[in-house]
Amino acid sequence: GESVGLHLPTLSVQEGDNSIINCAYSNSASDYFIWYKQESGKGPQFIIDIRSNMDKRQGQRVTVLLNKTVKHLSLQIAATQPGDSAVYFCAENIYNAGNMLTFGGGTRLMVKP
Amino acid sequence: DTEVTQTPKHLVMGMTNKKSLKCEQHMGHRAMYWYKQKAKKPPELMFVYSYEKLSINESVPSRFSPECPNSSLLNLHLHALQPEDSALYLCASSKVPMNTEAFFGQGTRLTVV
Repeated sequence: GESVGLHLPTLSVQEGDNSIINCAYSNSASDYFIWYKQESGKGPQFIIDIRSNMDKRQGQRVTVLLNKTVKHLSLQIAATQPGDSAVYFCAENIYNAGNMLTFGGGTRLMVKP
Repeated sequence: DTEVTQTPKHLVMGMTNKKSLKCEQHMGHRAMYWYKQKAKKPPELMFVYSYEKLSINESVPSRFSPECPNSSLLNLHLHALQPEDSALYLCASSKVPMNTEAFFGQGTRLTVV
């Protein structure tokens, strides 16, 4: 999701349900993507990455899907837990530009017990 | 050790003060970064150091002056800041400055009064 003004898009899910967080990236030359989780008062924490030669990558309870045709990235979290509550950012990078991560607007995930 | 350590955690400074933010990593990473994050916004890249040399300056005002004394340390010297410079300043590092995950520190919460 993209932020609008001072309001972050919010996704509210029930504990145990699956969550899907979406991100539209801007540059068709981007070839490396990362999802970060940021809890209140902390720095971004790496979750999972994917390179442009892949369309899916799985980690522990997380899956990232990449659709280069429509420049869309999604993060799926299985069996969402209260500890997953945070703001999630996607970040894109362009190989020839060095490691200049450009972050998307962020989505707040709220998990209801 | 996958830690990036930033000091101080909080800093309040007047507009005429000179202060420095410090960042340290012992992962052998050769790329280090400064990001600025305002409330409810994504991190924005300020500077990139690649093999201890400044490689990217994202048009940051000269009142922010980065320094990389060695491969483990990164400083950000602050002078004559404005209240609008109040933000969370994040340091990050990556193994190489190209398409690898960046590890973030917890940030320094800076308030300019």
